[in-house]
Amino acid sequence: GDSVTQMEGPVTLSEEAFLTINCTYTATGYPSLFWYVQYPGEGLQLLLKATKADDKGSNKGFEATYRKETTSFHLEKGSVQVSDSAVYFCALSGGNQFYFGTGTSLTVIP
Amino acid sequence: NAGVTQTPKFQVLKTGQSMTLQCAQDMNHNSMYWYRQDPGMGLRLIYYSASEGTTDKGEVPNGYNVSRLNKREFSLRLESAAPSQTSVYFCASSEGWGGQGLNEQFFGPGTRLTVL
Repeated sequence: GDSVTQMEGPVTLSEEAFLTINCTYTATGYPSLFWYVQYPGEGLQLLLKATKADDKGSNKGFEATYRKETTSFHLEKGSVQVSDSAVYFCALSGGNQFYFGTGTSLTVIP
Repeated sequence: NAGVTQTPKFQVLKTGQSMTLQCAQDMNHNSMYWYRQDPGMGLRLIYYSASEGTTDKGEVPNGYNVSRLNKREFSLRLESAAPSQTSVYFCASSEGWGGQGLNEQFFGPGTRLTVL
């Protein structure tokens, strides 16, 4: 069945460091791919998405490219801020459901 | 627009008690979902409703029932709560099928449930 695997956390970075969170997927069709962010005590919010191969989603300095050949959708940001501290979830849509990764906790220290 | 709202925000139950978690959305979405979030487990789908009048089991449906009351509302019921159901519960909604897969989900703020 469809599934998403994302890198284990937690991840701790210094402010202005480069961020990569790896995400790979398994899907039978051509899913849309998403990154969601969850701040402490809140629900998930959509960060960015891509609906077809080679699409690049971007928002708030974050980027991810839908790579069909490597079945990946890695999240990147060139310079993280303390306010980026949160849990990040990779997800894909398949059939009538969404499939989420287990989440990667990011802490950015000043 | 309020988006997706959930009530209550916090709840403490004793083993064997029942309760209903309420969820409503004002975005005219077709699909609605219930998830539970546990440490190290990510989000697990309990039940979903692809459209008004239909409901389907997700990954972890045991111990739960749902009702799609109308297009706006989707409730989750615990008939006899167990400590294993201690979790954070999220409701989400989506427009449903778009041109290339499902459109994104919008989440409520969550209900933090403790079963003693």
